[in-house]
Amino acid sequence: GAGVSQSPRYKVAKRGQDVALRCDPISGHVSLFWYQQALGQGPEFLTYFQNEAQLDKSGLPSDRFFAERPEGSVSTLKIQRTQQEDSAVYLCATRGWAGNTIYFGEGSWLTVV
Amino acid sequence: DQQVKQNSPSLSVQEGRISILNCDYTNSMFDYFLWYKKYPAEGPTFLISISSIKDKNEDGRFTVFLNKSAKHLSLHIVPSQPGDSAVYFCAASRVSGKLIFGQGTTLQVKP
Repeated sequence: GAGVSQSPRYKVAKRGQDVALRCDPISGHVSLFWYQQALGQGPEFLTYFQNEAQLDKSGLPSDRFFAERPEGSVSTLKIQRTQQEDSAVYLCATRGWAGNTIYFGEGSWLTVV
Repeated sequence: DQQVKQNSPSLSVQEGRISILNCDYTNSMFDYFLWYKKYPAEGPTFLISISSIKDKNEDGRFTVFLNKSAKHLSLHIVPSQPGDSAVYFCAASRVSGKLIFGQGTTLQVKP
């Protein structure tokens, strides 16, 4: 596709529910990043894939957070047993081989009630 | 430890004048810097970038300046337009491409 596509755009989850957020990268982009953005803050790094390999997951806040990219294209961020503090915008971003610029999707807005 | 800081949460300028947004960083290993613009309910949109081997990069109304000795970069918008009103984030990266973001500055351009 022309840009990074994320779904769902908006998700309301009850506390304790599991959620899955999907990212479709720009075609051919090998690097994929997940960021979490709380209200009034800048995006904070969660995890990074190069193709299907998860090279850095140092930003995942707890073992309730899990990300995968099994075929090196679409990625899913899964949050188990959601808590209220998980409420944030989850941004996916991708980068091609040749450039340094990282392009963001519109984000998935998660509200845990 | 905030490695990238935008110390001004907001900035208001008159249409047609210059907007200057500032950003400071602490890690001298950063080798690439980017500015992103964000409208409400949208993801960040890439605006302009600069490599650490340069001190200036210009693209139309937008110019980014990098002062490595001061670990400081700035974004100049000339002339400012009402459509430029948004939140601006600076970000820094190393070879891995992982971006570290500042907290953002909300720019308001008044007609």
